[in-house]
Amino acid sequence: TQLLEQSPQFLSIQEGENLTVYCNSSSVFSSLQWYRQEPGEGPVLLVTVVTGGEVKKLKRLTFQFGDARKDSSLHITAAQPGDTGLYLCAGASGGYQKVTFGTGTKLQVIP
Amino acid sequence: DTAVSQTPKYLVTQMGNDKSIKCEQNLGHDTMYWYKQDSKKFLKIMFSYNNKELIINETVPNRFSPKSPDKAHLNLHINSLELGDSAVYFCASSQDGVGLTFKNIQYFGAGTRLSVL
Repeated sequence: TQLLEQSPQFLSIQEGENLTVYCNSSSVFSSLQWYRQEPGEGPVLLVTVVTGGEVKKLKRLTFQFGDARKDSSLHITAAQPGDTGLYLCAGASGGYQKVTFGTGTKLQVIP
Repeated sequence: DTAVSQTPKYLVTQMGNDKSIKCEQNLGHDTMYWYKQDSKKFLKIMFSYNNKELIINETVPNRFSPKSPDKAHLNLHINSLELGDSAVYFCASSQDGVGLTFKNIQYFGAGTRLSVL
């Protein structure tokens, strides 16, 4: 069973601070996505990365896919209260490209 | 219009009962999914249907039976509910079932919170 471990599990920071969330696996994924989920809602896609070493930026969010396509990171610069939520990474692999979600990182940004 | 809609949003029931959750997508997608999110927020795929055909069936008790009457609908029926079935169930859809590509974005419903007493 493929497992995507996210760290940290919980993160509470002050507005304006920077943070990094990690998504690690021993398995290789053909592609990886990051989602944000707010309370009472389903996950919403933030980004898709498919190439090892790829870096993508979405405003204050920077996503990186590891060279070996086994890990990824999400860096948020100058966090804002609106960034609060559950961040999930998800990887696809195998013949049917089954999606495996990470264990999740719950972020709280305090004004 | 909500792209992926699930009903009901909340479901409280007694152990041993049978219940169904309905899901509809108006995005014209070919693939639909059911996920279970436990109390620790771990999201795990249960089933995936592509054009009404079952393509992913994870290790789920056979008390759970998905049904896809057409490619816009994927319902989940649960027999003999158990305490451990309490969770949030998410329906999702995507254009096709092939991986997580730039085009194959999964759109999730708002979830159905099932509580088994």
